[in-house]
Amino acid sequence: QVQLHESGPGLVKPSQTLSLTCSVSGGSINSGGYYWSWLRQPAGKGLEWIGRIYPSGNTDYNPSLASRVSISVETSKSQFSLRLSSVTAADTAVYFCARDVDFDGEYFDVWGRGTLVTVSS
Amino acid sequence: DIQMTQSPSSLPASVGDRITITCRASQSIRSHLNWYQQKPGKAPKLLIYAASSLQSGVPSRFSGSGSGTDFTFTISSLQPEDFATYYCQQSYSTPRTFGQGTKVEIK
Repeated sequence: QVQLHESGPGLVKPSQTLSLTCSVSGGSINSGGYYWSWLRQPAGKGLEWIGRIYPSGNTDYNPSLASRVSISVETSKSQFSLRLSSVTAADTAVYFCARDVDFDGEYFDVWGRGTLVTVSS
Repeated sequence: DIQMTQSPSSLPASVGDRITITCRASQSIRSHLNWYQQKPGKAPKLLIYAASSLQSGVPSRFSGSGSGTDFTFTISSLQPEDFATYYCQQSYSTPRTFGQGTKVEIK
């Protein structure tokens, strides 16, 4: 059973860079047919897709965040990472990583528990 | 971006009720529509994918239908554990986008 786990600082100062890592266990991050995505959810609000990466390194980003986002993958460690630069209070949210199935419909079928990141000085 | 609009935003209901949530896309997304359930403090859980396919392990009281721009999500007989927020999500194109959510709450 594939499991995902987010890790990283829970507090980031304004204008700095948010960095999170998602560790994949119980399965291979290199399995064909899966992207690996980041999403976020501000308190009391809806879900926003940030972007995704294929094990080959190909990425797609949400245009609303693309100028500040970078997603990378380290297959040897079964991890993928998110970097979001120049953060403001508006970036305060629970950040989720998820497996993004790229066949038979395309959907997020496995999610991490989420990690709260607060942007504050 | 494809805009997803859910209605209602809040749905008071009782155990045993049949409930229906609708989701409308701003353009045709064929059948590229998924439904998730989210409980407070938890990650979303996939219930329905490709508009009408039931995810493995999900009870059969959950169902979905529709194609193009209009979609429906139904719980045939609401159970106590079903009180939660439900989101639709399109996977027709990037950026992936979600509806604003429907909170199913106790009447």
